[in-house]
Amino acid sequence: IAMTQSPVTLSVSPGESATLSCRVSQSVDTDLAWHQQKPGQSPRLLIYRASTRATGIPARFSGSGSGTEFTLTISSLQSDDFAIYYCQQYRTWPLTFGAGTKLEIK
Amino acid sequence: EVQLVESGGGLVKPGGSVRLSCVASGFGFDYTWMNWVRQGPGKGLEWVGRIRSKREGRTADYTAPVKGRFTISRDDSKNTVFLQMDGLKSEDTAVYYCMTVLSNCSGAVCYRYDYWGQGALVTVSS
Repeated sequence: IAMTQSPVTLSVSPGESATLSCRVSQSVDTDLAWHQQKPGQSPRLLIYRASTRATGIPARFSGSGSGTEFTLTISSLQSDDFAIYYCQQYRTWPLTFGAGTKLEIK
Repeated sequence: EVQLVESGGGLVKPGGSVRLSCVASGFGFDYTWMNWVRQGPGKGLEWVGRIRSKREGRTADYTAPVKGRFTISRDDSKNTVFLQMDGLKSEDTAVYYCMTVLSNCSGAVCYRYDYWGQGALVTVSS
């Protein structure tokens, strides 16, 4: 299953919102997760089952979508949110990640 | 506290071999599937493979680029999962992460927890 994330890079000012997209080549129902990765760190799970926030993830992170189109929305961006975000499907082996969206400070 | 600690990375010549280890603690390792994920320099994440628990036969699945060259195994008595990498190529240069997905269910609601190791760098170069 191929994963396409857009945009590749997103420049947003702190306090604003960011919308990241993930398109999947075939339906994964809601078997989709979002991960955040900062430089030099391991990835961190943000969202699973397309819209369920992982434990400890702030409410400003929200996920939506099903089938082949998914969105991660981050509202009221804080400096700690600037990172790379990956979507990942776990419907079918091999599990696959998107190429990532780099969220940078404008 | 769940911990995953990888070891065994380093510089390897093309065609060579290396074995990574990942020692787990803080959860029921015996009945948990374990995964290896890699990240090339400046690149995204790629699932390498996974191994099932003893109950499911300790069988493993691999992504196509590593199938036939990499082998995942586990020693449940030592809470350790291994990634044996043979026939290494320059494109295998990456940080290799050990990771697992745990589930905690309360009634009909299940919560997912992902845990990652710190990563082990494998560099394939002559």
